[in-house]
Amino acid sequence: SAVISQKPSRDICQRGTSLTIQCQVDSQVTMMFWYRQQPGQSLTLIATANQGSEATYESGFVIDKFPISRPNLTFSTLTVSNMSPEDSSIYLCSVEDDWGGPYNEQFFGPGTRLTVL
Amino acid sequence: AQTVTQSQPEMSVQEAETVTLSCTYDTSESNYYLFWYKQPPSRQMILVIRQEAYKQQNATENRFSVNFQKAAKSFSLKISDSQLGDTAMYFCAFWCRADGLTFGKGTHLIIQP
Repeated sequence: SAVISQKPSRDICQRGTSLTIQCQVDSQVTMMFWYRQQPGQSLTLIATANQGSEATYESGFVIDKFPISRPNLTFSTLTVSNMSPEDSSIYLCSVEDDWGGPYNEQFFGPGTRLTVL
Repeated sequence: AQTVTQSQPEMSVQEAETVTLSCTYDTSESNYYLFWYKQPPSRQMILVIRQEAYKQQNATENRFSVNFQKAAKSFSLKISDSQLGDTAMYFCAFWCRADGLTFGKGTHLIIQP
């Protein structure tokens, strides 16, 4: 299994600013995912990040608002740009363990709780 | 695209009781996997149990077991001898190779002392 850490664990930010969230994995993984979990809601996939290529964004999410970097196989960042109170959520990093079996298990980081004032 | 439905937003039971969380899904895929994840107040998503769609036998992990009804597209989670530490959000999830992981809206389970 993969161990995932995220920084920061929480932050309170002012409207109009940007925050970059870091995700570090203890092993090399091909697929990394970023999710948003709004208060009391389920997880919504923002984008999939593969090393060496542009992230693939889900409907409703755009690169200008949520730029993602994936410089190597163990690290990724998600930036929440020009924040508004509606961006207040938990942001979770996830990785897929492609162990060569019939399915790929996903592991999740501890999340970053973002509050925008 | 797949859909996962959890019809119980919140459930509350007494400690040591048995509780069943329901989940239904819709898919045209024939090869898929189903999961139950637990998210305690710490926010860490934890995999509770996994079911391969091609297996008829229901998965069991200690106090946790599933009732997988493939024809009915139903995948419920039973927690026996519930403990205070079981208090958490529980998410049912569907995985297929084409679309990855799809989550239900979750059920907030509260175990009362």
